[in-house]
Amino acid sequence: KQEVTQIPAALSVPEGENLVLNCSFTDSAIYNLQWFRQDPGKGLTSLLLIQSSQREQTSGRLNASLDKSSGRSTLYIAASQPGDSATYLCAVRQSGYSTLTFGKGTMLLVSP
Amino acid sequence: DGGITQSPKYLFRKEGQNVTLSCEQNLNHDAMYWYRQDPGQGLRLIYYSQIVNDFQKGDIAEGYSVSREKKESFPLTVTSAQKNPTAFYLCASSISSGRTELYEQYFGPGTRLTVT
Repeated sequence: KQEVTQIPAALSVPEGENLVLNCSFTDSAIYNLQWFRQDPGKGLTSLLLIQSSQREQTSGRLNASLDKSSGRSTLYIAASQPGDSATYLCAVRQSGYSTLTFGKGTMLLVSP
Repeated sequence: DGGITQSPKYLFRKEGQNVTLSCEQNLNHDAMYWYRQDPGQGLRLIYYSQIVNDFQKGDIAEGYSVSREKKESFPLTVTSAQKNPTAFYLCASSISSGRTELYEQYFGPGTRLTVT
């Protein structure tokens, strides 16, 4: 059964720092991987989706990479801002008709 | 604007009562999902539906029921058999066939259910 782990569970950085959030998964035969952001008491907002054939995806200050063979993905946030403070979750899909398996998330706090 | 709506945002019920959470989407998505989120537990899948009039149990379906009579709607009923119903419930949707790059999953704003 697929398991998704996110390290660290919490991260606190000063504004302006570049940072990396990690996601690992036990079964490398994935279809795609999706990164989400969740603000307290809110739903999840999709940030980036990486297909299994892709190595990375970029959106603004965010860059997500995927290394299927090692079962890892990273979310790189450049020049962090207080507005980036949220919980970041990664999730993997095993096949086109399967459901997502989520990690427990990394809670990020960016201080002014 | 296209999206997923969940109502109500907060719901309070007495123990022993059934309660139905609403989820509606106008994204023309085939697949819809219900998740439960508890502190420290991450998201857990309750039920999902790939097509109208069909649905499958997720990892924690006991004490819950769903229906999928319309493509746009996927209501979740929390029954009195659910032992710990207090949680944050999230509905999601995605396209379920065709180009895989369209399998991105979108979420609603959630309903916080408190049962006392």
